[in-house]
Amino acid sequence: SQTIHQWPATLVQPVGSPLSLECTVEGTSNPNLYWYRQAAGRGLQLLFYSVGIGQISSEVPQNLSASRPQDRQFILSSKKLLLSDSGFYLCAWSWGREGGSPLHFGNGTRLTVT
Amino acid sequence: GNSVTQMEGPVTLSEEAFLTINCTYTATGYPSLFWYVQYPGEGLQLLLKATKADDKGSNKGFEATYRKETTSFHLEKGSVQVSDSAVYFCALSDRGDDKIIFGKGTRLHILP
Repeated sequence: SQTIHQWPATLVQPVGSPLSLECTVEGTSNPNLYWYRQAAGRGLQLLFYSVGIGQISSEVPQNLSASRPQDRQFILSSKKLLLSDSGFYLCAWSWGREGGSPLHFGNGTRLTVT
Repeated sequence: GNSVTQMEGPVTLSEEAFLTINCTYTATGYPSLFWYVQYPGEGLQLLLKATKADDKGSNKGFEATYRKETTSFHLEKGSVQVSDSAVYFCALSDRGDDKIIFGKGTRLHILP
């Protein structure tokens, strides 16, 4: 069966510090990978998605970037965090275009920028 | 572009009450529709889905019917329990598009 791992679970970082959140998927190959951010009162916002190694689509221009160095690894980064980067970050995978394939989410990382 | 609109919460009901959470969508193609549930402190879990018009998704007593004529996918449950307290998200995935778009979520609180 497939599993998704996301870490760390919680993170407190000062403004201006770098960020690296990692997500890995096991038990499948060539999944679509996604990063979402959930901020209070704003629902779930799609940040980046990837359909293959090195292929990244950005949905919202901002202070963050994403990379996919391996088939089942997806990394969310920032060089300098802003207060507005605080939120709950969720990684997810899907089979892609296979007829209504749902997303499978990790447990999330709660990031607080101070 | 594609979008999902769902009723704003919070919704507060007594145990065993009937639940409806409204969801409407805008899509350029023929989307698949989903309901996800998020329990406190956790990630999202798929609750149910429907991939074509008139399909009914169901799970754990929840149901939703894909209504193309009204572009809706309302979530219903006949008798809610305290354990149903969570945030519910409606979402769509358009065919040929890798993006999955979510509504803003509806917080449901069930009183014992």
